[in-house]
Amino acid sequence: QITLKESGPTLVKPTQTLTLTCTFSGFSLSTSGVGVGWIRQPPGKALEWLAFIYWDDDKRYSPSLKNRLTITKDTSKNQVVLTMTNMDPVDTATYYCAHSREGSSWPFDYWGQGTLVTVSS
Amino acid sequence: SYELTQPLSVSVALGQTARITCGGNNIGSKNVHWYQQKPGQAPVLVIYRDSNRPSGIPERFSGSNSGNTATLTISRAQAGDEADYYCQVWDSSTPVIFGGGTKLTVL
Repeated sequence: QITLKESGPTLVKPTQTLTLTCTFSGFSLSTSGVGVGWIRQPPGKALEWLAFIYWDDDKRYSPSLKNRLTITKDTSKNQVVLTMTNMDPVDTATYYCAHSREGSSWPFDYWGQGTLVTVSS
Repeated sequence: SYELTQPLSVSVALGQTARITCGGNNIGSKNVHWYQQKPGQAPVLVIYRDSNRPSGIPERFSGSNSGNTATLTISRAQAGDEADYYCQVWDSSTPVIFGGGTKLTVL
């Protein structure tokens, strides 16, 4: 059974760096083809993809946010970490991590419950 | 960059058929995935690769994809189907793209 859970601060100040951790079970990020992505959703708005990391440490970022994002994995801990620099109130959103696999034919088939991050001074 | 266009809202009478569209340039050449999101919950995959249902998703949910439009069809709509629905594709320019979402109302 695949599960994912996001953790991190619920409140950050403008200009600070956000660090979120996705802890998962039921799969390994050392398995060929496996990947984990981060998606966010501002209150009342649509889903927005942020980043993706694959089993072989290949990484992909949203072009509009790539200068602010870093995604890493710790295979031994079954964790994926996303950092986002220079936070702004417009970054207030629920942040989700999700399981997928390599290739365009794979969806995000398992999602975490999400964590709400508010950016405010 | 590639874009996906969804209607903001769709209404359907209880027991009738709802169709939610997702428009994109030659989207028929891509694999389209659909997610259902109820208020306060994480998205749930309901259709993958255009027309495949994950285990546990009712047969009332189906999908198609051709030309410039992909469609999620919900037959015999129930009150419990009220939710936001998002389409998603992978693209070479922006690897993961979501549509803007459609709010389904069951009357």
